[in-house]
Amino acid sequence: AQKVTQAQTEISVVEKEDVTLDCVYETRDTTYYLFWYKQPPSGELVFLIRRNSFDEQNEISGRYSWNFQKSTSSFNFTITASQVVDSAVYFCALSAPGKLTFGTGTRLTIIP
Amino acid sequence: DAGVTQSPTHLIKTRGQQVTLRCSPKSGHDTVSWYQQALGQGPQFIFQYYEEEERQRGNFPDRFSGHQFPNYSSELNVNALLLGDSALYLCASSLGPSGPPLYEQYFGPGTRLTVT
Repeated sequence: AQKVTQAQTEISVVEKEDVTLDCVYETRDTTYYLFWYKQPPSGELVFLIRRNSFDEQNEISGRYSWNFQKSTSSFNFTITASQVVDSAVYFCALSAPGKLTFGTGTRLTIIP
Repeated sequence: DAGVTQSPTHLIKTRGQQVTLRCSPKSGHDTVSWYQQALGQGPQFIFQYYEEEERQRGNFPDRFSGHQFPNYSSELNVNALLLGDSALYLCASSLGPSGPPLYEQYFGPGTRLTVT
């Protein structure tokens, strides 16, 4: 069975602070993909990043960065210099053939 | 290039009624997956349609059924509605049912179903 755990239910930080969202996963598959999605109040899930299980290189995209550590089954997401527009619910997800398994999400609030 | 569209946006139904939700995939996509997102939870996989057939199914009762049309659009039907069926229903489209392109699923804005 696959499982994704996002232990942080809610996080609030002051604008311009850095914030890290944690994600821990469980799977027996040797090949898998991990994702982060952003869900703003409008409800639509916005794709942020996909990582496959063979690529442990960290990735940076603007203010966003991701740290994938297979040894600890973690795929953490850091926002640098947070902005109010970053306020949303963020979901980590794990692939299985044909479907995604999502965590319960972390609600991030950026305080102006 | 139109993205994934869903209709209606909101819906209110009474317990015991039946509901049909609709989804049009992103242009060029042939696979549609449906997810249920209860308040405060992550999306839960309901089922996936490819080539007009249900290919995979999550842990949902038979009250949940679907259909895919030749133009790749899809419907989600829920019979004998329960209060617990109140949720945001998300449709996602992709190219192919299980290959790497699937992993870039594009989600629609969802349909908010309220059962009273």
